[in-house]
Amino acid sequence: GQSLEQPSEVTAVEGAIVQINCTYQTSGFYGLSWYQQHDGGAPTFLSYNALDGLEETGRFSSFLSRSDSYGYLLLQELQMKDSASYFCAVRNTGGFKTIFGAGTRLFVKA
Amino acid sequence: DTGVSQNPRHKITKRGQNVTFRCDPISEHNRLYWYRQTLGQGPEFLTYFQNEAQLEKSRLLSDRFSAERPKGSFSTLEIQRTEQGDSAMYLCASSPLGGAQETQYFGPGTRLLVL
Repeated sequence: GQSLEQPSEVTAVEGAIVQINCTYQTSGFYGLSWYQQHDGGAPTFLSYNALDGLEETGRFSSFLSRSDSYGYLLLQELQMKDSASYFCAVRNTGGFKTIFGAGTRLFVKA
Repeated sequence: DTGVSQNPRHKITKRGQNVTFRCDPISEHNRLYWYRQTLGQGPEFLTYFQNEAQLEKSRLLSDRFSAERPKGSFSTLEIQRTEQGDSAMYLCASSPLGGAQETQYFGPGTRLLVL
């Protein structure tokens, strides 16, 4: 089967750095994606790792290790507006179905 | 760039009624996806279109659900004989052919409440 596991909640203070982990089980996949979703809003694409290593986009970075079936999203210089749910997602090779994790709810405190 | 649009944004219906939702993807996007999302969960894949062809459909999708994309542009999702368990947010996403399928652009969703 295919599954992704993420922590359900993370709390951090404004200005800090937070890491949201994602472990996955899948027979083969193209890469790991991350999406952000604010309450009442639509998911918004953040990043995609097709290869092992770190991808950086502004304050957000994402990491993938295929050998460990593990990835993470790193948010730096946290702002109150970063309070949202964050989802990791994979798409298996040979198909079009994208599987999302249950999401990590990030609370940023002043 | 008008983004992905979905209509209606909200729908309240009685159990047993049929409902239809519409999705208009970003104009140059050939790929279109439908998802369902319930509170506290990630989007759950329902079906995928490449142009007008429906190339994948979730095995979790009962035969009460049907989707179309007749001209390869907008898509409709119909739920027949709705049940209370169908209450959820129905999301549509699109992505361009040639880009990574993982880069999906989501619409605002249609929130369905079945009474």
